[in-house]
Amino acid sequence: KQEVTQIPAALSVPEGENLVLNCSFTDSAIYNLQWFRQDPGKGLTSLLLIQSSQREQTSGRLNASLDKSSGRSTLYIAASQPGDSATYLCAAIPNTGNQFYFGTGTSLTVIP
Amino acid sequence: NAGVMQNPRHLVRRRGQEARLRCSPMKGHSHVYWYRQLPEEGLKFMVYLQKENIIDESGMPKERFSAEFPKEGPSILRIQQVVRGDSAAYFCASSPLLAGALAGELFFGEGSRLTVL
Repeated sequence: KQEVTQIPAALSVPEGENLVLNCSFTDSAIYNLQWFRQDPGKGLTSLLLIQSSQREQTSGRLNASLDKSSGRSTLYIAASQPGDSATYLCAAIPNTGNQFYFGTGTSLTVIP
Repeated sequence: NAGVMQNPRHLVRRRGQEARLRCSPMKGHSHVYWYRQLPEEGLKFMVYLQKENIIDESGMPKERFSAEFPKEGPSILRIQQVVRGDSAAYFCASSPLLAGALAGELFFGEGSRLTVL
């Protein structure tokens, strides 16, 4: 069974700082890896989807990388802003089966 | 293109009552997933459905919970005889492609928050 871990569980940084969020998964036989953002009391917003044939995806100040061999993905946020404060979740989609396996998330606070 | 629509957003039930949660996937999506999120916990898979078919219900509790996705209308997650432990946020997600070897991107609704008194 795929297990997804996100470290740290919580992170607090001053505005303007660059930061990296980590996601690790136990089974490297994944098809996609997707990063989401969740604001309190809200649903999940898709940020980036990395397919297994890709190594990274970029959208604005966000860059996500995928290293299947080491079972790791990182989400890099450049020049953080208070509006980036949210919980960030990663989900691994295995090659077989029907589930998307989620980590427990990293709660990010960007201090003005 | 409207996103994934869930209703109700908030639902309060007393122990023993029934809860029905509805989900309309994004236009063009025929694959629906239900997830449950307990306070301070991650998202747990419940069930994966296509139109008129339950593909994977391995995450569903064996009793009191059922799900359907009829040919017409929204997907329904039904919880009978609710207990306090059912209090959680229930999220629906849709995808345009099959899971597994052709897994697509997941799009989530805003969730339905069930409170059992």
